[in-house]
Amino acid sequence: EVQLLESGGHLVQPGGSLRLSCAASGFTFSSFAMSWVRQAPGKGLEWVSTITGGDDTYYADSVKGRFTVSRDNSKNTLFLQMNSLRAEDTAVYYCAKGRFYFDSWGQGTLVTVSS
Amino acid sequence: DIQMTQSPSSLSASIGDSVTITCQASQDISNYLNWYQQKPGKAPKLLIYDASNLETGVPSRFSGSGSGTDFTFTISSLQPEDIATYYCQQYDNLPYTFGQGTKLEIK
Repeated sequence: EVQLLESGGHLVQPGGSLRLSCAASGFTFSSFAMSWVRQAPGKGLEWVSTITGGDDTYYADSVKGRFTVSRDNSKNTLFLQMNSLRAEDTAVYYCAKGRFYFDSWGQGTLVTVSS
Repeated sequence: DIQMTQSPSSLSASIGDSVTITCQASQDISNYLNWYQQKPGKAPKLLIYDASNLETGVPSRFSGSGSGTDFTFTISSLQPEDIATYYCQQYDNLPYTFGQGTKLEIK
């Protein structure tokens, strides 16, 4: 059974940094692209970033230059380094398995950017 | 960016009803269209991929169709556990974009 468990979300001030993690199990992690999708409170879904099995990375324009996605295949873990955080980055961040469609999701971790 | 427009934004139906949601893309996306279900407080769940392929384990009352710019998602006989918000998502072009969601309620 695929399991994805996000961690690292909490309250941070505008301009601050945060690193999210997603621990994966139940599949061959290194063989699959992984993605981050976020959802602002009461809003819809927004794709944030994808990293392929070959470490190619893709970003939404809204986070490009501020967020960095990476992975540690030896630890079956996905990361999202978030810098220069803004109030509009406040959201639940989900990690999801897949590149074009997201067939498994974590439970999400809440990031709140506020002073 | 490709805009995905879902309609309706909300929908009220009775148990046993057939329910249809549409999703229109702002440009041709072939069949690169997925559908997700999100229940309150939960993560989304993939139901349909590539416009019409049912994800493993998803009940057959769910179906999808369409290509190009116009897509349809149907629940053939609404069940109480289908109460959720449904999203379409395109992956023809980056950035991958979602529709605004359709909130389905029981009448």
